[in-house]
Amino acid sequence: AQKVTQAQTEISVVEKEDVTLDCVYETRDTTYYLFWYKQPPSGELVFLIRRNSFDEQNEISGRYSWNFQKSTSSFNFTITASQVVDSAVYFCALSGLSGAGSYQLTFGKGTKLSVIP
Amino acid sequence: DGGITQSPKYLFRKEGQNVTLSCEQNLNHDAMYWYRQDPGQGLRLIYYSQIVNDFQKGDIAEGYSVSREKKESFPLTVTSAQKNPTAFYLCASSIDAVGTMNTEAFFGQGTRLTVV
Repeated sequence: AQKVTQAQTEISVVEKEDVTLDCVYETRDTTYYLFWYKQPPSGELVFLIRRNSFDEQNEISGRYSWNFQKSTSSFNFTITASQVVDSAVYFCALSGLSGAGSYQLTFGKGTKLSVIP
Repeated sequence: DGGITQSPKYLFRKEGQNVTLSCEQNLNHDAMYWYRQDPGQGLRLIYYSQIVNDFQKGDIAEGYSVSREKKESFPLTVTSAQKNPTAFYLCASSIDAVGTMNTEAFFGQGTRLTVV
């Protein structure tokens, strides 16, 4: 069975600080995909990034960056110079084979980020 | 605009009643999903459908039922057998026809169901 752990339940930072959200995953698959989603107060999940298990390059998109380390089964997300609009719940997710033999998306429990002005 | 529409946004149900949550997408996606979110919890998969007229149980299907008669529609019925139905329900879709999930899922804005 696959599992995603986001150990940080809630984080508060002051605006302009950098913050890293941790994600650790477990899977027996050799091919899998990792995702990050943002859930603002409106409730809709917004896709941020997808990474496949064969691509360990870090990625940067504006103030967002992701660090994928297969050796530690981690896919961490860093926001640089945080802004109030970054306040949301962030979910890490893993796509891999379920016990039923089909692919499923497994979510972590989420990290609630509060950016204080 | 393409997207996923869930209705209603808020729903109240009396104990013992069945209720149906609507999910419609115009993205021409083959796969559709229903998730349940409880406070402080991640999203848990209720049902998913990879193609019309076919659907599979997820991790917490008991007390729920679905249908997929049209590609664009995937309604979820919360039955009276669901013992703790108060939650936030999210519908999603992805382009995959075979459920490989190598593309991202797109989500609706959710329905908050409260049992009164």
